[in-house]
Amino acid sequence: DTAVSQTPKYLVTQMGNDKSIKCEQNLGHDTMYWYKQDSKKFLKIMFSYNNKELIINETVPNRFSPKSPDKAHLNLHINSLELGDSAVYFCASSQVENYGYTFGSGTRLTVV
Amino acid sequence: GIQVEQSPPDLILQEGANSTLRCNFSDSVNNLQWFHQNPWGQLINLFYIPSGTKQNGRLSATTVATERYSLLYISSSQTTDSGVYFCAVSYNQGGKLIFGQGTELSVKP
Repeated sequence: DTAVSQTPKYLVTQMGNDKSIKCEQNLGHDTMYWYKQDSKKFLKIMFSYNNKELIINETVPNRFSPKSPDKAHLNLHINSLELGDSAVYFCASSQVENYGYTFGSGTRLTVV
Repeated sequence: GIQVEQSPPDLILQEGANSTLRCNFSDSVNNLQWFHQNPWGQLINLFYIPSGTKQNGRLSATTVATERYSLLYISSSQTTDSGVYFCAVSYNQGGKLIFGQGTELSVKP
């Protein structure tokens, strides 16, 4: 059983399109996150949700909109995709805010 | 904000060798984690270690919070240990982790 699952694993799309990435965790964790890993492998937080409530929004362009329908799901919708959005996006979860993370396997987004 | 610096940036080892990776951080933390990103891109949590020492098989970690550093020890390295090792920290920031730039480890057979 996959603890944190993301879909799709790969996403290739044209500039200007809108796309979504889905994330689900079956660990019963209260907090979920989206991180972006750039081409130099640097990881930076984008959003954090605790029990469906947004608690961190890290100066991400408003073309990125997270949605958490319940505490087991955190989806990421991206409007008007740009070349600079190409990256690997990781979903993660943790039991409480200050505890160990479990990461999903990542979604490699390529904008052409 | 908290700065995280990892060293060395790159490391090449022969299989069976031991190594120590270091993580320095600039301010107090109450959350410190070590991760391994394997060559397929998957991020695996190795340790949650805001202070003290932990061991898991050939890996162990020590965090000296008062001196603002953490060490990850890899003993008897194997080719499967190759990848990038990240240290990440936070302090009462809603779980937001600040990542270091990573140490890229390559273990040769």
